[in-house]
Amino acid sequence: DSGVTQTPKHLITATGQRVTLRCSPRSGDLSVYWYQQSLDQGLQFLIQYYNGEERAKGNILERFSAQQFPDLHSELNLSSLELGDSALYFCASSVDGGLTDTQYFGPGTRLTVL
Amino acid sequence: DAKTTQPNSMESNEEEPVHLPCNHSTISGTDYIHWYRQLPSQGPEYVIHGLTSNVNNRMASLAIAEDRKSSTLILHRATLRDAAVYYCILRDSDLGGPLVFGKGTRLSVIA
Repeated sequence: DSGVTQTPKHLITATGQRVTLRCSPRSGDLSVYWYQQSLDQGLQFLIQYYNGEERAKGNILERFSAQQFPDLHSELNLSSLELGDSALYFCASSVDGGLTDTQYFGPGTRLTVL
Repeated sequence: DAKTTQPNSMESNEEEPVHLPCNHSTISGTDYIHWYRQLPSQGPEYVIHGLTSNVNNRMASLAIAEDRKSSTLILHRATLRDAAVYYCILRDSDLGGPLVFGKGTRLSVIA
Protein backbone atom coordinates (compact mmCIF):
# COMPACT_ATOMS: atom_id res chain seq x y z
CA ASP A 1 0.00 0.00 0.00
CA SER A 2 1.65 3.21 -1.23
CA GLY A 3 -0.55 5.51 0.85
CA VAL A 4 -1.97 7.15 -2.28
CA THR A 5 -5.67 6.59 -2.82
CA GLN A 6 -7.61 6.96 -6.02
CA THR A 7 -11.33 6.84 -6.63
CA PRO A 8 -13.16 5.38 -8.33
CA LYS A 9 -11.35 2.13 -9.17
CA HIS A 10 -13.37 1.60 -12.32
CA LEU A 11 -15.41 3.96 -14.44
CA ILE A 12 -17.50 3.09 -17.46
CA THR A 13 -19.04 5.89 -19.45
CA ALA A 14 -20.09 6.89 -22.94
CA THR A 15 -18.47 9.04 -25.57
CA GLY A 16 -19.07 12.73 -25.11
CA GLN A 17 -19.46 12.48 -21.37
CA ARG A 18 -17.42 14.11 -18.61
CA VAL A 19 -15.83 12.37 -15.62
CA THR A 20 -13.80 13.35 -12.57
CA LEU A 21 -11.04 11.21 -11.11
CA ARG A 22 -9.92 11.87 -7.57
CA CYS A 23 -6.57 11.39 -5.87
CA SER A 24 -5.52 11.73 -2.24
CA PRO A 25 -1.74 11.94 -1.82
CA ARG A 26 0.31 10.43 0.97
CA SER A 27 0.24 12.41 4.18
CA GLY A 28 2.83 15.18 3.99
CA ASP A 29 3.38 15.00 0.22
CA LEU A 30 2.97 18.34 -1.52
CA SER A 31 3.37 17.26 -5.13
CA VAL A 32 0.81 15.33 -7.17
CA TYR A 33 1.28 13.88 -10.64
CA TRP A 34 -1.18 12.39 -13.11
CA TYR A 35 -0.18 9.73 -15.62
CA GLN A 36 -2.14 7.92 -18.32
CA GLN A 37 -1.37 4.33 -19.31
CA SER A 38 -2.81 2.95 -22.52
CA LEU A 39 -1.84 -0.14 -24.48
CA ASP A 40 -0.49 1.78 -27.47
CA GLN A 41 1.10 4.79 -25.72
CA GLY A 42 2.44 3.24 -22.54
CA LEU A 43 2.77 5.35 -19.40
CA GLN A 44 2.60 9.07 -20.17
CA PHE A 45 2.91 12.03 -17.85
CA LEU A 46 -0.04 14.39 -17.97
CA ILE A 47 0.39 17.11 -15.36
CA GLN A 48 2.04 17.94 -12.02
CA TYR A 49 0.89 20.13 -9.16
CA TYR A 50 2.89 21.35 -6.23
CA ASN A 51 1.14 22.78 -3.19
CA GLY A 52 -1.85 23.88 -5.24
CA GLU A 53 0.04 25.33 -8.19
CA GLU A 54 0.61 23.77 -11.58
CA ARG A 55 4.32 22.94 -11.91
CA ALA A 56 4.73 20.94 -15.10
CA LYS A 57 2.60 19.93 -18.04
CA GLY A 58 3.04 16.92 -20.25
CA ASN A 59 0.92 15.37 -22.95
CA ILE A 60 -2.38 16.55 -21.54
CA LEU A 61 -5.19 17.19 -23.98
CA GLU A 62 -7.12 20.46 -23.87
CA ARG A 63 -10.24 18.43 -23.02
CA PHE A 64 -8.52 17.39 -19.80
CA SER A 65 -7.94 19.63 -16.80
CA ALA A 66 -6.77 19.16 -13.26
CA GLN A 67 -6.46 21.00 -10.01
CA GLN A 68 -5.01 20.53 -6.56
CA PHE A 69 -7.08 21.74 -3.65
CA PRO A 70 -5.94 23.38 -0.36
CA ASP A 71 -6.13 20.00 1.41
CA LEU A 72 -3.73 18.75 -1.32
CA HIS A 73 -6.08 16.24 -2.89
CA SER A 74 -6.28 16.47 -6.65
CA GLU A 75 -8.90 15.93 -9.31
CA LEU A 76 -8.47 15.16 -12.99
CA ASN A 77 -11.41 16.18 -15.16
CA LEU A 78 -11.86 14.54 -18.53
CA SER A 79 -14.52 15.97 -20.85
CA SER A 80 -15.94 15.25 -24.31
CA LEU A 81 -14.69 11.73 -23.85
CA GLU A 82 -13.58 9.70 -26.86
CA LEU A 83 -13.01 5.98 -27.27
CA GLY A 84 -9.27 6.62 -27.24
CA ASP A 85 -9.42 8.04 -23.75
CA SER A 86 -9.99 4.56 -22.39
CA ALA A 87 -6.95 3.88 -20.24
CA LEU A 88 -5.60 3.47 -16.75
CA TYR A 89 -5.08 6.79 -14.99
CA PHE A 90 -2.53 6.84 -12.20
CA CYS A 91 -1.94 9.48 -9.61
CA ALA A 92 1.40 9.72 -7.84
CA SER A 93 2.60 11.89 -5.01
CA SER A 94 5.98 12.95 -3.68
CA VAL A 95 7.32 15.17 -0.96
CA ASP A 96 8.53 18.11 -3.05
CA GLY A 97 8.73 17.05 -6.68
CA GLY A 98 12.50 17.24 -6.86
CA LEU A 99 14.91 15.23 -9.02
CA THR A 100 15.63 12.66 -6.34
CA ASP A 101 12.12 12.56 -4.96
CA THR A 102 10.46 9.16 -4.84
CA GLN A 103 7.06 9.09 -6.46
CA TYR A 104 4.44 6.88 -4.84
CA PHE A 105 1.74 5.68 -7.19
CA GLY A 106 -1.86 4.93 -6.43
CA PRO A 107 -3.67 1.82 -7.65
CA GLY A 108 -5.14 3.67 -10.63
CA THR A 109 -8.58 4.33 -12.08
CA ARG A 110 -9.55 2.24 -15.08
CA LEU A 111 -11.64 4.32 -17.46
CA THR A 112 -13.64 2.63 -20.17
CA VAL A 113 -15.36 4.80 -22.75
CA LEU A 114 -18.03 3.01 -24.78
CA ASP B 1 11.07 10.73 -25.99
CA ALA B 2 12.56 8.36 -23.45
CA LYS B 3 16.34 8.63 -23.41
CA THR B 4 17.01 5.09 -22.32
CA THR B 5 17.22 1.75 -24.14
CA GLN B 6 16.25 -1.51 -22.46
CA PRO B 7 15.67 -5.04 -23.74
CA ASN B 8 11.99 -5.76 -24.28
CA SER B 9 11.99 -8.86 -22.13
CA MET B 10 14.16 -11.06 -19.96
CA GLU B 11 13.69 -14.33 -18.18
CA SER B 12 15.19 -15.57 -14.94
CA ASN B 13 14.99 -18.62 -12.74
CA GLU B 14 13.70 -18.21 -9.24
CA GLU B 15 16.38 -17.57 -6.62
CA GLU B 16 18.95 -16.67 -9.27
CA PRO B 17 20.46 -13.18 -9.62
CA VAL B 18 19.07 -10.98 -12.38
CA HIS B 19 20.94 -8.22 -14.19
CA LEU B 20 18.70 -5.78 -16.03
CA PRO B 21 20.68 -3.52 -18.39
CA CYS B 22 19.91 0.03 -19.45
CA ASN B 23 21.73 2.17 -21.99
CA HIS B 24 21.59 5.95 -21.71
CA SER B 25 24.36 7.17 -23.98
CA THR B 26 23.06 10.78 -24.08
CA ILE B 27 22.97 11.19 -20.31
CA SER B 28 24.04 14.59 -19.03
CA GLY B 29 26.02 15.31 -15.92
CA THR B 30 22.98 16.31 -13.88
CA ASP B 31 20.70 13.43 -14.87
CA TYR B 32 19.76 11.00 -12.12
CA ILE B 33 19.15 7.36 -13.04
CA HIS B 34 15.95 6.00 -11.53
CA TRP B 35 14.41 2.54 -11.69
CA TYR B 36 10.76 1.84 -11.15
CA ARG B 37 8.84 -1.37 -11.65
CA GLN B 38 5.23 -2.16 -12.32
CA LEU B 39 3.81 -5.39 -11.00
CA PRO B 40 0.78 -6.82 -12.81
CA SER B 41 -2.39 -4.81 -12.21
CA GLN B 42 -0.61 -2.29 -9.98
CA GLY B 43 0.82 1.19 -10.24
CA PRO B 44 4.55 1.63 -10.69
CA GLU B 45 6.74 1.47 -7.60
CA TYR B 46 10.13 2.95 -6.89
CA VAL B 47 13.09 0.59 -6.85
CA ILE B 48 16.30 2.59 -6.63
CA HIS B 49 18.12 5.65 -7.98
CA GLY B 50 21.66 6.94 -8.31
CA LEU B 51 23.83 9.61 -9.88
CA THR B 52 27.41 8.35 -10.19
CA SER B 53 28.21 5.79 -7.50
CA ASN B 54 26.79 2.30 -7.17
CA VAL B 55 23.83 2.13 -4.82
CA ASN B 56 22.30 -0.60 -2.69
CA ASN B 57 18.99 -0.83 -0.90
CA ARG B 58 16.81 -3.60 0.45
CA MET B 59 15.22 -4.23 -2.93
CA ALA B 60 18.13 -4.13 -5.34
CA SER B 61 21.53 -2.78 -6.32
CA LEU B 62 22.29 -0.25 -9.03
CA ALA B 63 25.61 -0.47 -10.84
CA ILE B 64 26.49 2.63 -12.85
CA ALA B 65 29.21 2.55 -15.49
CA GLU B 66 32.13 4.87 -15.00
CA ASP B 67 31.17 6.94 -18.07
CA ARG B 68 27.51 6.83 -16.92
CA LYS B 69 26.36 5.78 -20.37
CA SER B 70 24.86 2.59 -19.02
CA SER B 71 23.62 1.10 -15.78
CA THR B 72 22.47 -2.27 -14.49
CA LEU B 73 19.77 -3.05 -11.98
CA ILE B 74 20.67 -6.14 -9.99
CA LEU B 75 18.11 -8.27 -8.18
CA HIS B 76 20.20 -10.55 -6.01
CA ARG B 77 17.72 -13.41 -5.73
CA ALA B 78 14.71 -13.24 -8.03
CA THR B 79 11.41 -14.36 -6.61
CA LEU B 80 8.10 -14.91 -8.37
CA ARG B 81 6.96 -11.62 -6.90
CA ASP B 82 9.70 -9.82 -8.88
CA ALA B 83 7.96 -10.58 -12.18
CA ALA B 84 7.16 -7.10 -13.47
CA VAL B 85 8.00 -4.47 -16.07
CA TYR B 86 11.16 -2.62 -15.03
CA TYR B 87 11.65 0.95 -16.19
CA CYS B 88 14.98 2.75 -16.33
CA ILE B 89 14.34 6.50 -16.26
CA LEU B 90 16.55 9.56 -16.46
CA ARG B 91 15.39 12.56 -14.49
CA ASP B 92 16.97 15.78 -15.64
CA SER B 93 17.06 19.27 -14.31
CA ASP B 94 15.18 20.62 -17.36
CA LEU B 95 12.16 18.40 -16.87
CA GLY B 96 12.30 18.34 -13.11
CA GLY B 97 9.90 16.07 -11.32
CA PRO B 98 7.86 14.10 -13.88
CA LEU B 99 8.94 10.60 -14.83
CA VAL B 100 9.33 9.86 -18.54
CA PHE B 101 8.64 6.16 -18.99
CA GLY B 102 9.91 4.14 -21.92
CA LYS B 103 8.71 0.65 -22.76
CA GLY B 104 10.76 -1.01 -20.02
CA THR B 105 11.88 -4.63 -19.68
CA ARG B 106 9.32 -7.28 -18.90
CA LEU B 107 10.95 -9.70 -16.47
CA SER B 108 9.55 -13.22 -16.22
CA VAL B 109 10.60 -15.40 -13.29
CA ILE B 110 10.40 -19.15 -13.67
CA ALA B 111 9.86 -21.37 -10.65
